[in-house]
Amino acid sequence: GIQVEQSPPDLILQEGANSTLRCNFSDSVNNLQWFHQNPWGQLINLFYIPSGTKQNGRLSATTVATERYSLLYISSSQTTDSGVYFCAVVPLYNFNKFYFGSGTKLNVKP
Amino acid sequence: DAGVIQSPRHEVTEMGQEVTLRCKPISGHDYLFWYRQTMMRGLELLIYFNNNVPIDDSGMPEDRFSAKMPNASFSTLKIQPSEPRDSAVYFCASSVRGRGDEKLFFGSGTQLSVL
Repeated sequence: GIQVEQSPPDLILQEGANSTLRCNFSDSVNNLQWFHQNPWGQLINLFYIPSGTKQNGRLSATTVATERYSLLYISSSQTTDSGVYFCAVVPLYNFNKFYFGSGTKLNVKP
Repeated sequence: DAGVIQSPRHEVTEMGQEVTLRCKPISGHDYLFWYRQTMMRGLELLIYFNNNVPIDDSGMPEDRFSAKMPNASFSTLKIQPSEPRDSAVYFCASSVRGRGDEKLFFGSGTQLSVL
């Protein structure tokens, strides 16, 4: 199946810093989403972004489908941004099956 | 909308017992997914349904696992008999396709501990 690789695996930031998380995938996709799993385990959908750029407050995401990667930007990080960020993709050859990366664990220190 | 609703939030049982996890998807969503999350294996897709019909159950670990979706607003995941290695967080998720913004929404999960 499709390979989804996220980097870095772990990230420690001081509150107020900016960061970029990366998701690489090995095949063409028709769906890509970013999720945040908070320290209580809840998975929150951040972006549906199969291509292009979107922004939501301090978060923005860009997907370059032709080059098979997506980036999640976090600006002016806050302690509430801590948790694990997952990228999930749906390959063209399996229209409905989501494949998740292993995540980036973010710890924002006050 | 209340979102995807799962029950119970926590389940502790003994090896060999039957476990039933429940899920109510978001109204109007036509896809329902069951995932399992462990530290070792991350998020694994177990099975998914489209319009109440199971489409892909290739992720179901073995015959001890079964899932049903009798109607558009309810699904169950059953483990019988349960084993300690089944201990994990089980998530249900739903989505709707063909309307542009095809986000996947997760429930709060069921933390299963099999002793």
